[in-house]
Amino acid sequence: EDQVTQSPEALRLQEGESSSLNCSYTVSGLRGLFWYRQDPGKGPEFLFTLYSAGEEKEKERLKATLTKKESFLHITAPKPEDSATYLCAVCGAGNNRKLIWGLGTSLAVNP
Amino acid sequence: DVKVTQSSRYLVKRTGEKVFLECVQDMDHENMFWYRQDPGLGLRLIYFSYDVKMKEKGDIPEGYSVSREKKERFSLILESASTNQTSMYLCASSLPSINEQYFGPGTRLTVT
Repeated sequence: EDQVTQSPEALRLQEGESSSLNCSYTVSGLRGLFWYRQDPGKGPEFLFTLYSAGEEKEKERLKATLTKKESFLHITAPKPEDSATYLCAVCGAGNNRKLIWGLGTSLAVNP
Repeated sequence: DVKVTQSSRYLVKRTGEKVFLECVQDMDHENMFWYRQDPGLGLRLIYFSYDVKMKEKGDIPEGYSVSREKKERFSLILESASTNQTSMYLCASSLPSINEQYFGPGTRLTVT
């Protein structure tokens, strides 16, 4: 069964304290792994797509990496405005258009 | 930029009412999706559509129906609202060959 597990559930950092969020997945024939950011009361905002092991994508203080079993979202020198829930999702060969979602990591960055 | 809009940000309805949630996207996307999001349960797919007048059930279709008469518009219908349908409802769209989905702002529905 396709599955996505995110850890930790919640993370509190001090401003400037770098860390990583984890997304472990089980899927048959990965067609893509997706990272989203969600602010309270709003819809998820697309960040990155990763397609194959070894691939990396960067945007400002965020860097996403992918292996055959997991993905990491590295946050370098975070700022309070990076506080949000970060969601991971995968699309497998058997699911085509549908995404399998993790429950997210709630990140709080204190000034 | 992809833009997905939803008809209401907040909605309060009574038990038994028929509820319509509308979603419009302006990027000519073939695929459209309806999710609900609840604390501790994450995003759950209700229905999706990959073409006009086409629909497929997601993981939790019971109590819901959908309509897609035009490519840009996808409606979610609660035939007889119940309190357990109180939730955040999110619409998304995507291209057929690219699976990344773009979301609307969400509708917070409360059924009393």
